[in-house]
Formats: sequence, structure tokens, C-alpha cells
Amino acid sequence: DSGVTQTPKHLITATGQRVTLRCSPRSGDLSVYWYQQSLDQGLQFLIQYYNGEERAKGNILERFSAQQFPDLHSELNLSSLELGDSALYFCASSVEWEPHNEQFFGPGTRLTVL
Amino acid sequence: GDSVTQMEGPVTLSEEAFLTINCTYTATGYPSLFWYVQYPGEGLQLLLKATKADDKGSNKGFEATYRKETTSFHLEKGSVQVSDSAVYFCALSEKTSYDKVIFGPGTSLSVIP
Repeated sequence: DSGVTQTPKHLITATGQRVTLRCSPRSGDLSVYWYQQSLDQGLQFLIQYYNGEERAKGNILERFSAQQFPDLHSELNLSSLELGDSALYFCASSVEWEPHNEQFFGPGTRLTVL
Repeated sequence: GDSVTQMEGPVTLSEEAFLTINCTYTATGYPSLFWYVQYPGEGLQLLLKATKADDKGSNKGFEATYRKETTSFHLEKGSVQVSDSAVYFCALSEKTSYDKVIFGPGTSLSVIP
């Protein structure tokens, strides 16, 4: 158990809908990362937050957004969903943002768009 | 930009065989290098890391040495077990104006008894 929790574990929805994925980092970790893992794209970095502020953006679509709240939990919002958004979404956390810091991954949320 | 390349999988080995998974990277500065492992149905977890040239990371019998001259970080294990079956990701992290981890595509390993 990494100490990172993600909810829900599974999510099935229809095209055009909007969903929210939630992540609680390990106690004391200030940095939260979101990743998308799909068979054809592999593991793609989406976005990083540090202590409530956006730190880095990766391959995140404009239909997707995220935020980190004062209690450090984070939410990833996916809107106007398309079939291709079906994937495993991971959240990870780390203590700070030093490059040698280990990232601790949650178990993921499996999103299926029908 | 920064990138990580790994050998294509899947790799299938017999128990107690020697394992090598190649990883090479491209980076503008001096990154930290990682190997993460993903067991079936789980998230990724750090296997080992190295933060500077010639450092050797090791854990659970796995080793990898940071080779700056060849920009490589190959993963090795002398004798694999069935329980090592998983997907292995090589990754780098470089602090430029922000911290971002770049993962390789992953190499699937199956160890058969």
C-alpha cells in the first residue's frame, strides 16, 4: 500500500459526459501528479500540482482540468468524454519537487467510455 | 526534448534466468534515473534509482548503473523468479524550470516456472 488513495476504482460512462477523479496523496506529500495509461499511448504525464499550485503540464487535453485543494487532495476533471479517453488514470505524490524524489502511485481509476 | 527508450517486449524467461532490460535516455542536463515496476492490477512502485553518474541503484536483487557516457541505465537481475513477472518502466526526472518525470514505454516481463 503506497498510501495514495484514488476514487472511484472503476468508472463507466458515456461519450459526451463529464467525470471527476479524486486523489488523496500520502500524508505529508505536497506534490501530486496525474498520469494516463492506455495501451496505445503508454504512460503519459498529464499535470503536476505542488502545494495547491500548478507546476507542470504534460500531454493534457483542453477538455481535461485539475486542481489541488488546501487539504492537498486533488481532482482531475474530464469533460466531453470520447471513446479514446478510456484508460487507466493514475495519481502519484511525492514529498516535494526535487527530481530525485520517489513518486508514490495510487492504484488507479479505470475509466471506460461507451 | 527529454526522452526514454526501452527495449521492446514482451520478454519471456525461465525461472532463474539472467535478466537485462535495456534503457537509454536523452536529456539536456543531469537527470535522476529510475526503474519503476507495475505488477498486474496495481499502480507503479519504485524499484530503484540513481541520482548521478556511476551511481548503482539496487533493490530485491535488481541492479542498474547510471552510465553518463552511454546515456544508459540498464536493469539487470541474476536469477529471476515467477514473482518478478510485471511491467518495468525506465524513467528520468530533470529539474529545469519544473520537475517532470518522463517514463519509457514499459517492458513486459513474464517468468515461467
